[in-house]
Amino acid sequence: GEDVEQSLFLSVREGDSSVINCTYTDSSSTYLYWYKQEPGAGLQLLTYIFSNMDMKQDQRLTVLLNKKDKHLSLRIADTQTGDSAIYFCAEEAAGNKLTFGGGTRVLVKP
Amino acid sequence: DTGVSQNPRHKITKRGQNVTFRCDPISEHNRLYWYRQTLGQGPEFLTYFQNEAQLEKSRLLSDRFSAERPKGSFSTLEIQRTEQGDSAMYLCASSLSTGLYTEAFFGQGTRLTVV
Repeated sequence: GEDVEQSLFLSVREGDSSVINCTYTDSSSTYLYWYKQEPGAGLQLLTYIFSNMDMKQDQRLTVLLNKKDKHLSLRIADTQTGDSAIYFCAEEAAGNKLTFGGGTRVLVKP
Repeated sequence: DTGVSQNPRHKITKRGQNVTFRCDPISEHNRLYWYRQTLGQGPEFLTYFQNEAQLEKSRLLSDRFSAERPKGSFSTLEIQRTEQGDSAMYLCASSLSTGLYTEAFFGQGTRLTVV
């Protein structure tokens, strides 16, 4: 079955870069996503990458995709305290349904 | 339109009772999804609709679970004879399927606690 894996926790100092890693299993996924979840809030789509791309940059966010290794990463530049949250990577299957990883809790220290 | 709306936000029920949750998607969205998220885990797919047709159900959706989307607009998720293991956040999402990239918008969820 499908299994998307992420490391559980990341601690970073304010102003540094954060890198969150993810491995996925479904090589047929057309899109891969990064979502952010803050306490008491729903899932917020941060960014996505089409499977035929290997990099996408969107302001402070950089997504890298290595299809050969089925590895996805999210880099947040100049991390702020407001970036403290749980980050989920997700792969897309038929019907646009999503398979999520277990989430990486990012704690930004001042 | 203010996005995907879920009601209630919180529900506490006794084991064995039935519960029903409602999701109102973004009005023009033809696809509607239900996910379940337990503490410390990522959301898991339960089922989805295209308009009023239920196109796929996860094996996580036992016989005690039923979902409907009668007119292709709002959807309900019912859990019969609730068990403590049903305690979770139930998330609804909607999207407009155009054959190209589509973004799924999530509601804030209904948190179910079975005591």
